[in-house]
Amino acid sequence: DGGITQSPKYLFRKEGQNVTLSCEQNLNHDAMYWYRQDPGQGLRLIYYSQIVNDFQKGDIAEGYSVSREKKESFPLTVTSAQKNPTAFYLCASSKDRHNEQFFGPGTRLTVL
Amino acid sequence: GQQLNQSPQSMFIQEGEDVSMNCTSSSIFNTWLWYKQDPGEGPVLLIALYKAGELTSNGRLTAQFGITRKDSFLNISASIPSDVGIYFCAGQTSGTYKYIFGTGTRLKVLA
Repeated sequence: DGGITQSPKYLFRKEGQNVTLSCEQNLNHDAMYWYRQDPGQGLRLIYYSQIVNDFQKGDIAEGYSVSREKKESFPLTVTSAQKNPTAFYLCASSKDRHNEQFFGPGTRLTVL
Repeated sequence: GQQLNQSPQSMFIQEGEDVSMNCTSSSIFNTWLWYKQDPGEGPVLLIALYKAGELTSNGRLTAQFGITRKDSFLNISASIPSDVGIYFCAGQTSGTYKYIFGTGTRLKVLA
């Protein structure tokens, strides 16, 4: 089955800790994205990667970091510098930047 | 910055009724996408629109790309209980990588 997987589904973190969210796709898509979703708001773009070893900041990149060492993988690290990290995080991919985006199942991060 | 207004914010309808929702933008878009999201899950792509005036169906769902390129509409015919969820629109302007997402229409279907 082709698709996008995110793990874990639920993640708890203590304040001051960094945490990494996994995103893997086997759709052979070039572009991958990370979004943050908060109640009552539209999705906000954190980071975007058009190709391997290249990524750009989105609208709310502060306190986050990413890497794109493999085409299939685009992990997101939520650092201790992110002031309000509790949210639902969604990873997406598209064939290229002009095509429709497909989403993974999401990871809910809660900071205790 | 770009804004995307989606309405209504929420709606309750009876099973079997038709549903309409829309998105309007302050900018011209060259692509419109419609998604459905269930609680705690990722959005699922329903329909993609690429041309002004385009009308596309997916089962009981029909979406249209507005002639002005600043709006899009989604209709659901003969709603059923599993239509419950949040429907999002997303638009992309020419030459950019970024999609702008609406805040969603929460649909509740009363059996």
